[in-house]
Amino acid sequence: AQRVTQPEKLLSVFKGAPVELKCNYSYSGSPELFWYVQYSRQRLQLLLRHISRESIKGFTADLNKGETSFHLKKPFAQEEDSAMYYCALRRAGNMLTFGGGTRLMVKP
Amino acid sequence: NAGVTQTPKFRVLKTGQSMTLLCAQDMNHEYMYWYRQDPGMGLRLIHYSVGEGTTAKGEVPDGYNVSRLKKQNFLLGLESAAPSQTSVYFCASSSGQISGNTIYFGEGSWLTVV
Repeated sequence: AQRVTQPEKLLSVFKGAPVELKCNYSYSGSPELFWYVQYSRQRLQLLLRHISRESIKGFTADLNKGETSFHLKKPFAQEEDSAMYYCALRRAGNMLTFGGGTRLMVKP
Repeated sequence: NAGVTQTPKFRVLKTGQSMTLLCAQDMNHEYMYWYRQDPGMGLRLIHYSVGEGTTAKGEVPDGYNVSRLKKQNFLLGLESAAPSQTSVYFCASSSGQISGNTIYFGEGSWLTVV
């Protein structure tokens, strides 16, 4: 069965510090993974997807099939990065399975 | 372009009352979904639809019903609300199964059952 795990519910860092939000998955097929971001009381927005290998707002994420991970990283956190971050796995039928989410707080 | 719109945004219900959440999308998407968001549990799929007139159960369908009479609308019903259904509900839509297509979310509906 597919499963997405985000081990940290809360991650608090100072502005300018590096950030890594962890995501691990289990899936029998070929995974397609995403990071969604939710700013306070707003809708979820797609941040990035592994197949695009892009960098959005300074964030990157690399799929590591050996470790079944898709960690989200940013070298220098900004206060406006404070939000809820969800890792998600696409499964058959274009469904998303979400992790429990990590709240990132960037302190000034 | 409104995207995915949900109504109402906020609602307080008494236990046992019924209500319907409406989701509308203007992107001509085939697929529509209802998720609930609870602290520490992420988003869980309640029901979904792969086209007009079709519905299917997701991970947590009990206590909910849905209908997709028109392609652009996906209704979520609570026949007899329970406090365990206090949550934030998100509707979403996508164009279909093709790998890489994006799922778009509505702004959420905050429901409290007392």
